[in-house]
Amino acid sequence: EVQLVESGGGLVKPGGSLRLSCAASGFSFDKAWLTWVRQAPGKGLQWVGRIKGRDEGETTDYAAPVKGRFTISRDDSKSTLYLQMTSVTADDTAIYYCTLPAPADFWGPGTLVVVSS
Amino acid sequence: DIEMTQSPSSLSASVGDKVTITCRASQDITNYLNWYQQKPGKAPKLLIFVASMLQSGVPSRFSGSGSETEFSLTINSLQPDDFATYFCQQNYDTPYTFGQGTKLEIK
Repeated sequence: EVQLVESGGGLVKPGGSLRLSCAASGFSFDKAWLTWVRQAPGKGLQWVGRIKGRDEGETTDYAAPVKGRFTISRDDSKSTLYLQMTSVTADDTAIYYCTLPAPADFWGPGTLVVVSS
Repeated sequence: DIEMTQSPSSLSASVGDKVTITCRASQDITNYLNWYQQKPGKAPKLLIFVASMLQSGVPSRFSGSGSETEFSLTINSLQPDDFATYFCQQNYDTPYTFGQGTKLEIK
């Protein structure tokens, strides 16, 4: 059974940093392309970024609002995906989901990040 | 970035109705279009991928159509479980942008 479980969310001050983790199981993690998607309270979905699998060089792509501030990485030995967030602002307040994208389509339950002083 | 525009943003309908939600892409995305359903407090669930392929386990009353820039999601004979918010997403080119969502409410 595929499982994705995010952790690391919480309250962070504007300008601060936070690292989210996503523990994965039930599939060939090293080959998987994985994404982060976020959802601000009461708002729609926003694709944050993606990391390709080991065979594709683990290359990354990011949405414009987070490019240069957020970094996606992976530890295949731990089957864990990461999202390093830096220079956060109130606009980064959201539930952050890690996903195994379509057509496989598995999502974690999400972790809430609140940026506030 | 490819902009995805959904309409309507909200919709009221009754159990048994047929409803259609549309999604327009700002450029040709061939058929790289997904449809998701989301209920409050839950992660989204994939309904349709590559514009018209029904995800395993999704009821056949859901269907998708379209290509290039114009797409639609149709729900035949609405059931109580279908009242939710629906999102389209293009996965033709990164960033894989979403539409703004359509909230389907009970009339």
